[in-house]
Amino acid sequence: NAGVTQTPKFRVLKTGQSMTLLCAQDMNHEYMYWYRQDPGMGLRLIHYSVGEGTTAKGEVPDGYNVSRLKKQNFLLGLESAAPSQTSVYFCASSWGEATEAFFGQGTRLTVV
Amino acid sequence: KNEVEQSPQNLTAQEGEFITINCSYSVGISALHWLQQHPGGGIVSLFMLSSGKKKHGRLIATINIQEKHSSLHITASHPRDSAVYICAVLPTSGTYKYIFGTGTRLKVLA
Repeated sequence: NAGVTQTPKFRVLKTGQSMTLLCAQDMNHEYMYWYRQDPGMGLRLIHYSVGEGTTAKGEVPDGYNVSRLKKQNFLLGLESAAPSQTSVYFCASSWGEATEAFFGQGTRLTVV
Repeated sequence: KNEVEQSPQNLTAQEGEFITINCSYSVGISALHWLQQHPGGGIVSLFMLSSGKKKHGRLIATINIQEKHSSLHITASHPRDSAVYICAVLPTSGTYKYIFGTGTRLKVLA
């Protein structure tokens, strides 16, 4: 049982390049989330989804887009990467609103 | 002031010691989550609490809703417990958005 899988695990981008981070969960969870983790700060919510075909903005959505075309996948896109987007990105999923969240292993992204 | 405050920020202990990590929050919540993150690693859920106390192995988590406070205890600590422990609360506002503390970095020395 894989749980929550993020790909890739590491990536270096040049400023202005685009990329997509993939999050896949095999637990049939309805809710999925993308967070970023920066030194000295708590995890911050970028975007989230409460079901297939739905997405919503979190605390820090600027510069990111997301899609949830299939229930098991939640994609995070950076259209034009900036150095401020250097961070560790975590995907998480949960069955419901106040249920336990399961996290992926993280993607370390560096934008130079 | 952050809505979720953890203390201490850093903690070094000797193997075998009893460890307490605290989490205080300022909003009404429907649930509180304790998470563990090993260096360079992913995040693992330890407990989810809405009241009372939960125990799993050497880990115990308690919550006092009236005082807006939770504690994570580690009994008979071991070097493998070295990690960052993160407290996250789910506000009752129903926005599905957890608020995370900045974490407590624990190092257990052999």
